[in-house]
Amino acid sequence: DVKVTQSSRYLVKRTGEKVFLECVQDMDHENMFWYRQDPGLGLRLIYFSYDVKMKEKGDIPEGYSVSREKKERFSLILESASTNQTSMYLCASLGAWVAYEQYFGPGTRLTVT
Amino acid sequence: TQLLEQSPQFLSIQEGENLTVYCNSSSVFSSLQWYRQEPGEGPVLLVTVVTGGEVKKLKRLTFQFGDARKDSSLHITAAQPGDTGLYLCVGAKRGTGFQKLVFGTGTRLLVSP
Repeated sequence: DVKVTQSSRYLVKRTGEKVFLECVQDMDHENMFWYRQDPGLGLRLIYFSYDVKMKEKGDIPEGYSVSREKKERFSLILESASTNQTSMYLCASLGAWVAYEQYFGPGTRLTVT
Repeated sequence: TQLLEQSPQFLSIQEGENLTVYCNSSSVFSSLQWYRQEPGEGPVLLVTVVTGGEVKKLKRLTFQFGDARKDSSLHITAAQPGDTGLYLCVGAKRGTGFQKLVFGTGTRLLVSP
């Protein structure tokens, strides 16, 4: 079974802090994604990576950056956390564009106070 | 990220009832996935449909892809409390790249004993 893990299930940070969210997948997938999920807004793509050190901006990249130094690990960085970044963050990996089947991690619920 | 229109947005039913969730778009998709997300967890892939008119069954769940590959439905027979969750459809358009994934607005299902 594909396994996607995220470093924290719940996180509480203060405004202005730098926040790191880590995602690891064990299926040798090339493609990895970071989404945020908010009530009424669905899943919105923050960043996407299609290979090591390669990244593409999604729909809402402002205030975020990413790092992919190893194939299995994709990190999301909030440079200076703000209260409007309180959300559920979901990581996903995708092995083959033919099937478009994404495998999601359990999510990190981040609260910024 | 565009949105696929899902209906209903929210459904509260009693155990044993049947229900149908719809996923509609004006776009043609090369494939469509259905996911279920339980509270506090990440979405879990249920099925992928690829061919127009295709019907797939997963125990009490029946998935159908429209003939024109613009819409899909999920029918649950004799719903159980374990079916409770958020159901998401995700459509994939022809081409490559993350830009081609279109997310549904979600249907939240509550099945009471």
